[in-house]
Amino acid sequence: ILNVEQSPQSLHVQEGDSTNFTCSFPSSNFYALHWYRWETAKSPEALFVMTLNGDEKKKGRISATLNTKEGYSYLYIKGSQPEDSATYLCATSHSGGSNYKLTFGKGTLLTVNP
Amino acid sequence: GAGVSQSPSNKVTEKGKDVELRCDPISGHTALYWYRQRLGQGLEFLIYFQGNSAPDKSGLPSDRFSAERTGESVSTLTIQRTQQEDSAVYLCASSLVGRAEYEQYFGPGTRLTVT
Repeated sequence: ILNVEQSPQSLHVQEGDSTNFTCSFPSSNFYALHWYRWETAKSPEALFVMTLNGDEKKKGRISATLNTKEGYSYLYIKGSQPEDSATYLCATSHSGGSNYKLTFGKGTLLTVNP
Repeated sequence: GAGVSQSPSNKVTEKGKDVELRCDPISGHTALYWYRQRLGQGLEFLIYFQGNSAPDKSGLPSDRFSAERTGESVSTLTIQRTQQEDSAVYLCASSLVGRAEYEQYFGPGTRLTVT
């Protein structure tokens, strides 16, 4: 059974702080990693899809890195704003016949206080 | 363009009743997925459709759960004889192709409460 771990489980920061979360996953047969942002009462929104070791992606104030050899990804938010408050989900896929399937972590709940 | 839609948004049902949840994916997306999130848990894979076929039903928790997809479009997830442990948010997602390097686009979910 694949295990995707996210830490911390929850996080409170002040507006303007920069923050980061971790996603850990089995490195064997890695295929792809997804980061999603899920705001209350809305649909999960894709942030990044990453496949290559060493990949770095950026969207505005949010960026992510990927290390497939050691099995982790970091999500960074620079200068947090209250509208960044959401649950951030990480999901991975592994090859071997099911490279369509995502296994999700439990998420990191971020609260940004004004 | 239109995103993924799901209906109903909320459903309260009595234990033992059947429920049907609907998903309208993005037009042209061949892959469709159903997930659920129970309280305190992560998103849990239920079933994957490629076109109208379901090559992976491995996440369906019991034979009370079934799903179909027609016209390479709408999908329905049916839960028969609902139990309290079926209470969860049920999410549908679609992607252009059934491979994980493609983004999945999620609907807003159906919150199911079994009393």
